[in-house]
Amino acid sequence: EVQLVESGGGLVQPGGSLRLSCAASGFTFSSYSMNWVRQAPGKGLEWVSYISSSSSTIYYADSVKGRFTISRDNAKNSLYLQMNSLRAEDTAVYYCAKQWLAFDYWGQGTLVTVSS
Amino acid sequence: SYELTQPPSVSVSPGQTASITCSGDKLGDKYACWYQQKPGQSPVLVIYQDSKRPSGIPERFSGSNSGNTATLTISGTQAMDEADYYCQAWDSGGVFGTGTKVTVL
Repeated sequence: EVQLVESGGGLVQPGGSLRLSCAASGFTFSSYSMNWVRQAPGKGLEWVSYISSSSSTIYYADSVKGRFTISRDNAKNSLYLQMNSLRAEDTAVYYCAKQWLAFDYWGQGTLVTVSS
Repeated sequence: SYELTQPPSVSVSPGQTASITCSGDKLGDKYACWYQQKPGQSPVLVIYQDSKRPSGIPERFSGSNSGNTATLTISGTQAMDEADYYCQAWDSGGVFGTGTKVTVL
């Protein structure tokens, strides 16, 4: 059974940093591209970042480019999102999503709140 | 940047057909997929590559994509289908539609 478990969310002040993790199991993690998708409270889904299976290709949404860094450790079956210079508008539930033709599996999400 | 537009809401009676549109420039040249999200839950993929259903998704869910519009159709809508639905395509990154709330009256 595919499982994606996010962690690392919490309350952080504007300008602060946070590192999210996503632990994957139930599939060959090193063979699949992965993504981060977020959802602000009461709002729609927003794609954040993509990383290919070997980390050779990485994309970011314009809204986070230069502030967020996606990475993965295939030996640890883990995906990461380093978030710096956080803003109030980054407040959201952050989901990791496995990609195979589409975002075929999603984690339960971790809430990030940026507030003073 | 690329944008996908959906109607904010669609209402349907039980047993009837619900159609949700997703509009974007030359969307038919890309693959579209659809996600269902119920309150407090993570999104679930219901259609990929325009019209394919993942394992476990009921046959009443179908999709099409041509020109500038992709469409998700729910035939014989059931109360359990009440949810938010999002289309999604790929354009130098993921792009989600604005979302449609489906209400089963």
